[in-house]
Amino acid sequence: NAGVMQNPRHLVRRRGQEARLRCSPMKGHSHVYWYRQLPEEGLKFMVYLQKENIIDESGMPKERFSAEFPKEGPSILRIQQVVRGDSAAYFCASSPREGSTEAFFGQGTRLTVV
Amino acid sequence: GESVGLHLPTLSVQEGDNSIINCAYSNSASDYFIWYKQESGKGPQFIIDIRSNMDKRQGQRVTVLLNKTVKHLSLQIAATQPGDSAVYFCAPVEGGTSYGKLTFGQGTILTVHP
Repeated sequence: NAGVMQNPRHLVRRRGQEARLRCSPMKGHSHVYWYRQLPEEGLKFMVYLQKENIIDESGMPKERFSAEFPKEGPSILRIQQVVRGDSAAYFCASSPREGSTEAFFGQGTRLTVV
Repeated sequence: GESVGLHLPTLSVQEGDNSIINCAYSNSASDYFIWYKQESGKGPQFIIDIRSNMDKRQGQRVTVLLNKTVKHLSLQIAATQPGDSAVYFCAPVEGGTSYGKLTFGQGTILTVHP
């Protein structure tokens, strides 16, 4: 299965710790999107990255959140000094190119801050 | 105790019935619309899409209707099956934006009873 892979599937962090969420896009895909889903809500766009570049981070909180998509390896969504309000499901999607009309989603990482 | 939270629209149908899920959008600049299905504990899965210059598109057991005059689209599922039980989201895509940067609607919970 060469789908979008996210890990870990579940992550528990204490308040103040750091959370690192990983996303490996589908083979051949160079565009990655991160979304956050709060309980009983739709997904909210956070950031759009291409290899080594952040294209659109209009949905990212101004503080504590960062994302990267290095030349080699998975995309990383990093949350520093987590708070209870960061508890959510974080989904990654990938697409092969700018004009692609379909984004493939991973299974998500469920972050719980205790 | 009493629970407080968002309540998604719900649709409950019998297996074999047809289902119609509705979605209203506000951005008249949307030139592309995508329907996603999200099963419990999983990431969204692409169902079907439609361009704004169309008013109807059919897929396998699904039909999407678009009414730009009232900014409304619907997803019709024929002969609904228990495996169709999920949350359904529509995602308008604004012209000129990346198709991976999606704005998901609230979602509708579809429950199919055997």
